[in-house]
Amino acid sequence: DGGITQSPKYLFRKEGQNVTLSCEQNLNHDAMYWYRQDPGQGLRLIYYSQIVNDFQKGDIAEGYSVSREKKESFPLTVTSAQKNPTAFYLCASSISTFGRAQHFGDGTRLSIL
Amino acid sequence: DQQVKQNSPSLSVQEGRISILNCDYTNSMFDYFLWYKKYPAEGPTFLISISSIKDKNEDGRFTVFLNKSAKHLSLHIVPSQPGDSAVYFCAASAGGGSNYKLTFGKGTLLTVNP
Repeated sequence: DGGITQSPKYLFRKEGQNVTLSCEQNLNHDAMYWYRQDPGQGLRLIYYSQIVNDFQKGDIAEGYSVSREKKESFPLTVTSAQKNPTAFYLCASSISTFGRAQHFGDGTRLSIL
Repeated sequence: DQQVKQNSPSLSVQEGRISILNCDYTNSMFDYFLWYKKYPAEGPTFLISISSIKDKNEDGRFTVFLNKSAKHLSLHIVPSQPGDSAVYFCAASAGGGSNYKLTFGKGTLLTVNP
């Protein structure tokens, strides 16, 4: 079955630590995205990548970093510079042509210990 | 500055009746609109979309209407079923070239009562 896999589902971080969230897709999609969702809020774009080895900042990129070394993978690192990292993180992907529906993984909930 | 607004945080309807979820946008460059459905602790699932060259798109029980002059779109679900209970997000994108970004509203929690 094709889809997007995010791991782990729940993640705990101590203050001052970096943590990396995994996102893998086998849909052969060119574009991948990371969003953050806070209670009562919509999805806010952190970073996106249209092709391998290229990525752009979204609306709330501060305190986050990404890499796109393979088409299938788009890991997100939440650094210690992110002041309020507790949130639900969603990864998505889409084909590069018109038809802009993005397909989402089931998310990772990050909490600070 | 919220470019996509869903002004109703919640909506409650009876099973079998129509559910109408509303969305307003401010960016006149948006030309493609999508609705997503989300259950707790899961990722959003794409429901239906509409291009700005159309004013209506149907898919089974779901119909999306677009009023460009009012910068307003709505999602109609008929008939509503208890399994439709979820948060519904409206999203929009501005086309041209390779713009892949979606801007999401804050969502509306739909509860369908048996």
